[in-house]
Amino acid sequence: GAVVSQHPSRVICKSGTSVKIECRSLDFQATTMFWYRQFPKQSLMLMATSNEGSKATYEQGVEKDKFLINHASLTLSTLTVTSAHPEDSSFYICSARDIDQPQHFGDGTRLSIL
Amino acid sequence: GQNIDQPTEMTATEGAIVQINCTYQTSGFNGLFWYQQHAGEAPTFLSYNVLDGLEEKGRFSSFLSRSKGYSYLLLKELQMKDSASYLCAVEYSGAGSYQLTFGKGTKLSVIP
Repeated sequence: GAVVSQHPSRVICKSGTSVKIECRSLDFQATTMFWYRQFPKQSLMLMATSNEGSKATYEQGVEKDKFLINHASLTLSTLTVTSAHPEDSSFYICSARDIDQPQHFGDGTRLSIL
Repeated sequence: GQNIDQPTEMTATEGAIVQINCTYQTSGFNGLFWYQQHAGEAPTFLSYNVLDGLEEKGRFSSFLSRSKGYSYLLLKELQMKDSASYLCAVEYSGAGSYQLTFGKGTKLSVIP
């Protein structure tokens, strides 16, 4: 089955640090990748949609200058949380899909900003 | 916009059958997904319905009625490991591709 690898699984860092999260589709080409954020006991909230080779489309209320997304190839997308603050602490999850296939999720990255 | 409603919590007995309902209002509807999410983990794909009717996959079945904006996930022969949150997600056209909007999830507790 489709496998999506997300790295790192957990990050703990100081306020003001920038953090990069990678999302890779291992056995298929992902025409579209998605980035979600999930706070405790909340549902997944879509942050942005990323199509390979084009700029990401951000959801309302998500700062594109703070959450930088790069989708340079059909198998890799990165999310960089710039100058992270404690309120950015959350569970970040990527997903990837190929045409006519369901979204498959990475294992998520738990980000804790001290 | 998208609006999805599902019960917050349910409890069922090991070996029993449980049905988790989901209602939705959406524009540009393309299909409906069910995902399972254990605490602290990412969601895993369970089922996908595009057309009306029942899709069966082992112990899990999912039903869709597009005209009623209604779906359910049916879990048979419940096992303790089925204790998890079950997320109903609507797929719709947006931002040049198909996107998902998730419900808040139904936390299922399976008791002995």
